[in-house]
Amino acid sequence: KAGVTQTPRYLIKTRGQQVTLSCSPISGHRSVSWYQQTPGQGLQFLFEYFSETQRNKGNFPGRFSGRQFSNSRSEMNVSTLELGDSALYLCASSLGDSRYNEQFFGPGTRLTVL
Amino acid sequence: KNEVEQSPQNLTAQEGEFITINCSYSVGISALHWLQQHPGGGIVSLFMLSSGKKKHGRLIATINIQEKHSSLHITASHPRDSAVYICAVGGSQGNLIFGKGTKLSVKP
Repeated sequence: KAGVTQTPRYLIKTRGQQVTLSCSPISGHRSVSWYQQTPGQGLQFLFEYFSETQRNKGNFPGRFSGRQFSNSRSEMNVSTLELGDSALYLCASSLGDSRYNEQFFGPGTRLTVL
Repeated sequence: KNEVEQSPQNLTAQEGEFITINCSYSVGISALHWLQQHPGGGIVSLFMLSSGKKKHGRLIATINIQEKHSSLHITASHPRDSAVYICAVGGSQGNLIFGKGTKLSVKP
């Protein structure tokens, strides 16, 4: 079974631009969660999607948004990029609720904002 | 105070040593996850547990729900065990809350 894939793997943007990151979950997994990882804050939850519906959202500004398609693939979007958005963005898929199910992580997208 | 605390933050061990990493949490949880992150960023789920003890190879995870504490043990440590180990708990708002991680370095 193919693992979780994320594209692109690396991205460089400038302040004020917007960016879209993509995540393809493991076949059969309906839950996709997104996380931001920075050296200072560690791993932080962004949002979770299940069957095309956002189930939960973390404590991030509205510039961070996401969606999930009928094939469970998910995208997240960050608008009006700030320097502090530089981070590793990870997605993870699971069969169900991320709290109760094993999470399978993608390799991440490393975003650098200049 | 963070909702999930890990100790120690950094750990250096000699190959073959028995290693313990601790995780304490202050929120009610549904399950606790132990994750491993190697340099380069990839994260692997090691264990998910809500009670008792689980074992996989040289790794053992235990949890005490009453004391809100979990431990990850590595027996006969090896340099390839060098990684960051992260504890995460399922929060009441339906998301995972992560500890800051324990950076383990095992010297040959």
